[in-house]
Amino acid sequence: DGGITQSPKYLFRKEGQNVTLSCEQNLNHDAMYWYRQDPGQGLRLIYYSQIVNDFQKGDIAEGYSVSREKKESFPLTVTSAQKNPTAFYLCASSPRRDTPTNEKLFFGSGTQLSVL
Amino acid sequence: GDSVTQMEGPVTLSEEAFLTINCTYTATGYPSLFWYVQYPGEGLQLLLKATKADDKGSNKGFEATYRKETTSFHLEKGSVQVSDSAVYFCALLPGNAGGTSYGKLTFGQGTILTVHP
Repeated sequence: DGGITQSPKYLFRKEGQNVTLSCEQNLNHDAMYWYRQDPGQGLRLIYYSQIVNDFQKGDIAEGYSVSREKKESFPLTVTSAQKNPTAFYLCASSPRRDTPTNEKLFFGSGTQLSVL
Repeated sequence: GDSVTQMEGPVTLSEEAFLTINCTYTATGYPSLFWYVQYPGEGLQLLLKATKADDKGSNKGFEATYRKETTSFHLEKGSVQVSDSAVYFCALLPGNAGGTSYGKLTFGQGTILTVHP
């Protein structure tokens, strides 16, 4: 079945530690996105990538880094510079970056990150 | 900038009750509007969408009409079920989306719906 796989489902971070969240898609989508979800708030865009080897900062990129070495993979690293990392992280993808009406996002099932 | 405001929750209803979740937006031009649903422990799924004024999106008994005059996109369902319990997000995509803004949805804060038997 095609879809987006995020792992792990739960992740714990110690003080000063970098952690990496995995996102893999087999939908052959060009664009991929990372969102952060906090209780009682909407989703906020961290980073997005429209093509391999290119990515752009979203609204809350500070303390995060990404890479896009392969079309199907878009890992997110939460660095020690992110002082409030506890949140639910959602990865998403969408097809054909150059199709203006193709605005549907496909979401993974999320990773809950907590600080020890 | 663009913004989406949803009615505050949580909303608690009995099975077969009528549901309305209000959503209003602020945006320039002609955005596309969406409702996404998030079941417990899962990611978001697209529920319905409307891409121009007076369009009605519908799916699984849910409906929402794009009202440009009131900048609203309220979600309705005539008879809710226990299985509808979830968090509902209203979202918009700018009318000039493409290039660097492609896929950059603006989400509301979400409304928790709980339906009791």
